[in-house]
Amino acid sequence: VQLQQWGAGLLKPSETLSLTCAVYGGSFSPYYWSWVRQPPGKGLEWIGHISHGGSTNYDPSLKSRVTISVDTSKNQFSLKLTSVTAADTAVYYCARRRGLGLLDYWGQGTLVTVSS
Amino acid sequence: DIQMTQSPSSLSASVGDRVTITCQASQDISNNLNWYQQKPGKAPKLLIYDASSLEAGVPARFSGSGSATDFTFTISSLQPEDIATYYCQQYEDLRITFGQGTRLEIK
Repeated sequence: VQLQQWGAGLLKPSETLSLTCAVYGGSFSPYYWSWVRQPPGKGLEWIGHISHGGSTNYDPSLKSRVTISVDTSKNQFSLKLTSVTAADTAVYYCARRRGLGLLDYWGQGTLVTVSS
Repeated sequence: DIQMTQSPSSLSASVGDRVTITCQASQDISNNLNWYQQKPGKAPKLLIYDASSLEAGVPARFSGSGSATDFTFTISSLQPEDIATYYCQQYEDLRITFGQGTRLEIK
């Protein structure tokens, strides 16, 4: 199983962050697919996840700005985060959620910088 | 929301030492606790799941224990390649939260 992610790395404040993660190998279902971020020099923050059927859960602090979607025909899932600020600057990771709550495969990470 | 308190925040030890990191949950999470290793510039790597189960391919010097609110992660004999930051992670109602991390250095 490999996760490969891509998306814009430099945004201006108020823009929308958009990242996509493609899953190669293994089955796309019945897993949940997650996004996690890590601000520079800081710890890991869970953003949310989506099931192969499209059911989502988001961190309450980001819920109003986050949308995670899935395209099962392409084995891909995506993250959109609206109205970004400097506080959203981070490395963003996609990951596969196995079982009830462990993350066993991760993407390579994408540094997203928000700066005017 | 469940909060995870991980300690210490940093730790310096010698090769061959036994290293222990603790993680405390703000409420009972049964055994819904995982441990990850993250090296600089890399994605986290799952080491221990469900508090005490060793992920496939992970060396047996890594172990975990605990339940309810108190959990421990142990490296039985520290190796140079174990230098990394370690995170605990809980899951409850499908939501995930991480501990603050423990940076492990060689003395």
